[in-house]
Amino acid sequence: AQKVTQAQTEISVVEKEDVTLDCVYETRDTTYYLFWYKQPPSGELVFLIRRNSFDEQNEISGRYSWNFQKSTSSFNFTITASQVVDSAVYFCALMDSSYKLIFGSGTRLLVRP
Amino acid sequence: EPEVTQTPSHQVTQMGQEVILRCVPISNHLYFYWYRQILGQKVEFLVSFYNNEISEKSEIFDDQFSVERPDGSNFTLKIRSTKLEDSAMYFCASPDRNQNTEAFFGQGTRLTVV
Repeated sequence: AQKVTQAQTEISVVEKEDVTLDCVYETRDTTYYLFWYKQPPSGELVFLIRRNSFDEQNEISGRYSWNFQKSTSSFNFTITASQVVDSAVYFCALMDSSYKLIFGSGTRLLVRP
Repeated sequence: EPEVTQTPSHQVTQMGQEVILRCVPISNHLYFYWYRQILGQKVEFLVSFYNNEISEKSEIFDDQFSVERPDGSNFTLKIRSTKLEDSAMYFCASPDRNQNTEAFFGQGTRLTVV
């Protein structure tokens, strides 16, 4: 079965702390894509990153970094030096062979000043 | 940057009424998807649409729901007789299967059934 698990329901940190959001996935496909989305209080889904299953290189974009490990079926997301504006719900998602997205249940991140 | 547009942004309707949610996907894309997110929950797949027909649907997509592409640009989701539990955010997505970049979500329509 295709499944995405985000075990952390809610995380609260103080500004400038680093925080890692965990994502574990299950799939039978050999080719697949993994995504992270940010959902601010306004409700839209903001695309952060896409990774394909053949590319295990870690990626850094400013304060954001992603660690993809096929061996553990994980695609974790780290925010360095968190800011209040990072407060949102973050979703990890798996794109299956029919190109539909299977989302995790989301992690609500609260960054306190 | 390509954009998917959804209207209205917010709709309030009475239980039992029909609603039509509209989406203008990216013009040269061929596959369209609807997703639903009940408040505080995860985003769930509803239906995918290709070549003027449904290619896949979830268990949520029952007989109350229908999709169509009435005029070659709009992509609509109709709920025939709304129930309270249909209150949710509905997202349209228009992925580029050739480029496989992001899924290109619209900004969503928040449906409130009262």
